[in-house]
Amino acid sequence: GENVEQHPSTLSVQEGDSAVIKCTYSDSASNYFPWYKQELGKRPQLIIDIRSNVGEKKDQRIAVTLNKTAKHFSLHITETQPEDSAVYFCAAILQPTKGAGNKLTFGGGTRVLVKP
Amino acid sequence: DAGVIQSPRHEVTEMGQEVTLRCKPISGHNSLFWYRQTMMRGLELLIYFNNNVPIDDSGMPEDRFSAKMPNASFSTLKIQPSEPRDSAVYFCASSFMDSNQPQHFGDGTRLSIL
Repeated sequence: GENVEQHPSTLSVQEGDSAVIKCTYSDSASNYFPWYKQELGKRPQLIIDIRSNVGEKKDQRIAVTLNKTAKHFSLHITETQPEDSAVYFCAAILQPTKGAGNKLTFGGGTRVLVKP
Repeated sequence: DAGVIQSPRHEVTEMGQEVTLRCKPISGHNSLFWYRQTMMRGLELLIYFNNNVPIDDSGMPEDRFSAKMPNASFSTLKIQPSEPRDSAVYFCASSFMDSNQPQHFGDGTRLSIL
């Protein structure tokens, strides 16, 4: 079926190191890929997104790469800090059709722990 | 900007009672989404609306769940009768209907059914 797979489910890194989270999707027509960060007890917050017409996007310490041929996209966090500790979700619009809006399918989440 | 507003933030009630969750989307957004989040099942889409019309309710778990959007600035999710397994955090999100637009989440309602 149409889905989004996310790996790893948990990730522990030392402060200052990089963290990488990978997602794969099933629909080659998918064209929008947001990433959300959810801190404990709080709402998911959009941190970065990428559209299918670009292969990479950066925002300070965060970057996202997209490989449409392989149908996977990744989140890269450099120089990690303790406040980066959270659950990160990737998502994609699967089967985008005109008029269907922007229904997102979420990955299962990655719990990131940055150790000081 | 006010963001998506949900109420109540917390709800504790006994099983069998009716529960109504409320959501006010961001002004101007014409898509609204209801999600449920649990440790076991993650983030699940229950239903979403475009221009106040329900588009996909395939995620609604059973007939005990219903959702309405009477106008562009208000939506409700109702559970009647409630059961302990309905305990979860329920999020509402909104966006512009056009494809490739981000969804913005409310702070959620933490629901506990005793």
